[in-house]
Amino acid sequence: DQQVKQNSPSLSVQEGRISILNCDYTNSMFDYFLWYKKYPAEGPTFLISISSIKDKNEDGRFTVFLNKSAKHLSLHIVPSQPGDSAVYFCAASALDFGNEKLTFGTGTRLTIIP
Amino acid sequence: DAGVIQSPRHEVTEMGQEVTLRCKPISGHDYLFWYRQTMMRGLELLIYFNNNVPIDDSGMPEDRFSAKMPNASFSTLKIQPSEPRDSAVYFCASSTDSVYGYTFGSGTRLTVV
Repeated sequence: DQQVKQNSPSLSVQEGRISILNCDYTNSMFDYFLWYKKYPAEGPTFLISISSIKDKNEDGRFTVFLNKSAKHLSLHIVPSQPGDSAVYFCAASALDFGNEKLTFGTGTRLTIIP
Repeated sequence: DAGVIQSPRHEVTEMGQEVTLRCKPISGHDYLFWYRQTMMRGLELLIYFNNNVPIDDSGMPEDRFSAKMPNASFSTLKIQPSEPRDSAVYFCASSTDSVYGYTFGSGTRLTVV
């Protein structure tokens, strides 16, 4: 069973516009969430994270929003740039429950159109 | 810092053969994770080690898969015998503090024909 779900396999956005990537989770024990970015032939790299005590975290053009009641988080990229074209993975962990591992989603391929 | 080093980058093997994937974590990192990436399941955790000790191997799909970490600077993931459905990209990651600061290697693309 997929505990972290990214229901959109792909997304295309015009350069300069906002990109919104979505992620849903089913495990209510998850308390720490991360987004990773992956370019072809490379490993995923950390992008941004959020703890369950917050509902928003911002880092430059990237903002992650967390809605605990809906078990939903989203990543906003604004403005979108061609270099943002990559696969984005959502990940979650239950740190407060001693869970030291990350559970990843299936990924969303973002394409920024110049 | 050379990062997490995985070898080989690509591996093509015939069904039934033994395959060994290798990983050198970042020096000083206490945690090492093996993940597999497929289209259907995304990145799924196979096994992870803390201070060279296997902590959770519940993601290892079958007895055909085994992993070892004989010392702090080396780990292997072995598949014996390999099957076409094992074809995937296998990633190794290491970190100093569990889920914080994962650093992934570039992966090994395994093709079993």
